[in-house]
Amino acid sequence: AQSVTQLDSQVPVFEEAPVELRCNYSSSVSVYLFWYVQYPNQGLQLLLKYLSGSTLVKGINGFEAEFNKSQTSFHLRKPSVHISDTAEYFCAVKRNNNDMRFGAGTRLTVKP
Amino acid sequence: NAGVTQTPKFQVLKTGQSMTLQCAQDMNHNSMYWYRQDPGMGLRLIYYSASEGTTDKGEVPNGYNVSRLNKREFSLRLESAAPSQTSVYFCASSISHGPSSYEQYFGPGTRLTVT
Repeated sequence: AQSVTQLDSQVPVFEEAPVELRCNYSSSVSVYLFWYVQYPNQGLQLLLKYLSGSTLVKGINGFEAEFNKSQTSFHLRKPSVHISDTAEYFCAVKRNNNDMRFGAGTRLTVKP
Repeated sequence: NAGVTQTPKFQVLKTGQSMTLQCAQDMNHNSMYWYRQDPGMGLRLIYYSASEGTTDKGEVPNGYNVSRLNKREFSLRLESAAPSQTSVYFCASSISHGPSSYEQYFGPGTRLTVT
């Protein structure tokens, strides 16, 4: 079975500061990794994905994530956040089937 | 192009009542999914449909039934609602094959309260 752990339930940060949202997964087989963002009262939108190839993945809105196979991690980073980045962020793991597992979410709050 | 639409947006039910949540997509996707979102638990897959005419159980199927009415529509039914089914329900869709099949497109959600 696979599981996803997001290590921080809430991350408060000041505007223009860097941020890292942490995600670890457990799986005995190769997986595909995703970060989704959910703005208030909306559905989820895909931020970025790792399927294969370069371990550094760039997504929308200036976010990037690095796949670390030895650490089984896929942390999300942004060098300088904006107020508009305030949202909930979900890490997700998918094997080669229809089974997508989501982490519990990290609520990012950007303060002025 | 509306993407994935869900109705209703909000619903309050009494314990034991039944209802159907509707989902439709206009992206010609083969695969469709129903998730529930609960605080501190992320999204959990209830049922999915890999293609028209097929449905499979996900992680938390108990208390739910689904119907893949056609390629566009995938409904979720609660036959006898329970307070434990109070949640936000999301429908999603994706294409079936190739690298893009891993990207799911989500609807805006249905907030259901069972009293």
